[in-house]
Amino acid sequence: KQEVTQIPAALSVPEGENLVLNCSFTDSAIYNLQWFRQDPGKGLTSLLLIQSSQREQTSGRLNASLDKSSGRSTLYIAASQPGDSATYLCAVSAGGTSYGKLTFGQGTILTVHP
Amino acid sequence: DAGITQSPRYKITETGRQVTLMCHQTWSHSYMFWYRQDLGHGLRLIYYSAAADITDKGEVPDGYVVSRSKTENFPLTLESATRSQTSVYFCASRDRGEETQYFGPGTRLLVL
Repeated sequence: KQEVTQIPAALSVPEGENLVLNCSFTDSAIYNLQWFRQDPGKGLTSLLLIQSSQREQTSGRLNASLDKSSGRSTLYIAASQPGDSATYLCAVSAGGTSYGKLTFGQGTILTVHP
Repeated sequence: DAGITQSPRYKITETGRQVTLMCHQTWSHSYMFWYRQDLGHGLRLIYYSAAADITDKGEVPDGYVVSRSKTENFPLTLESATRSQTSVYFCASRDRGEETQYFGPGTRLLVL
């Protein structure tokens, strides 16, 4: 059974700092990995999706990397802003008959203070 | 562009009652999903559907029933609600050939 772990569970940083969120998964047979953002009381918003054949994806100040063989992904946020405060979730998708079903980590709660 | 909506947004019910949570998407996406989110467990898949009239169990299906008679709707029914089903429920959809899932705003359910 796939298990996804995110470290740290919570992170508080001053504005402007660069930061890294970590995600690890136990079964390397994944189809893709996605990073989501969740604001309090809201649904999830997809930030980045990395295919299993890719090493990284970038969107603005966000960069996600994937090392499938070691079962790890990182989300790098450059020059953090208070508006980045949210819970960040990573999720892996298995292939085959499980295609599209996501297994989530428990998330990292990020607080960026002015 | 309404996207994906859920109703009700908040619901309080009693143990043993039947409750139906609604999910509607305007994109005609093929795939739809129901997740529950609980402290200490993260999001867990309850049921998913690959198309109208095609549904399958996820990780935690016990106590839930789904149907999908129309592509745009995917209701989730708790046949006899229990306190352990107190949770936040999220519906999501994805188009065939795409990989990003789009999530609704969630329904907060409290079972007394």
